[in-house]
Amino acid sequence: AQSVAQPEDQVNVAEGNPLTVKCTYSVSGNPYLFWYVQYPNRGLQFLLKYITGDNLVKGSYGFEAEFNKSQTSFHLKKPSALVSDSALYFCAVRDDRGSTLGRLYFGRGTQLTVWP
Amino acid sequence: AAGVIQSPRHLIKEKRETATLKCYPIPRHDTVYWYQQGPGQDPQFLISFYEKMQSDKGSIPDRFSAQQFSDYHSELNMSSLELGDSALYFCASSSPNSAGELFFGEGSRLTVL
Repeated sequence: AQSVAQPEDQVNVAEGNPLTVKCTYSVSGNPYLFWYVQYPNRGLQFLLKYITGDNLVKGSYGFEAEFNKSQTSFHLKKPSALVSDSALYFCAVRDDRGSTLGRLYFGRGTQLTVWP
Repeated sequence: AAGVIQSPRHLIKEKRETATLKCYPIPRHDTVYWYQQGPGQDPQFLISFYEKMQSDKGSIPDRFSAQQFSDYHSELNMSSLELGDSALYFCASSSPNSAGELFFGEGSRLTVL
């Protein structure tokens, strides 16, 4: 079975401070991991992904995520938060077995609020 | 760059009515996915199609059906609508070259009154 856990419903940080949005996963095979961001009444926008290679993945808008196999985690990070980063963030996973066309499994989402 | 196009963006229906949502994937993407996102919820997978054949099925109600056409666009048909069907419906597309990344449309918001 595949699943994703985002333990925090909300994360609040001050602008300029570093931010972390947590994600842990469970898959049967090797994981493909993704982060998406959603602004109100908008679609899901891709931020970054881990397929293989370096554990530290860099993505859009200065975000990065670190894959930790032993802890089955894929936390999203940014060194300096912006007010415009305020949005709903989803972690997603699928495993590498079988077809590459499999669905993504999403976490429940974490609402990030960055205050000025 | 072309993105996933969904129509209509907003739809209001009465209970027991029927609704059809359309999805046009990114050119040369051969796989389409449908997700349902209720208020404050994470996206729930409904169904997917690859090369016009159903490739995976999730929590899609029996009242719903979908298909992918020869031009790769897809339609989600919903009948006997219930209040609980009110949600944001996302379509996503991918190709074998996208390493599992799904590209999402802006969604169709269905409101059932």
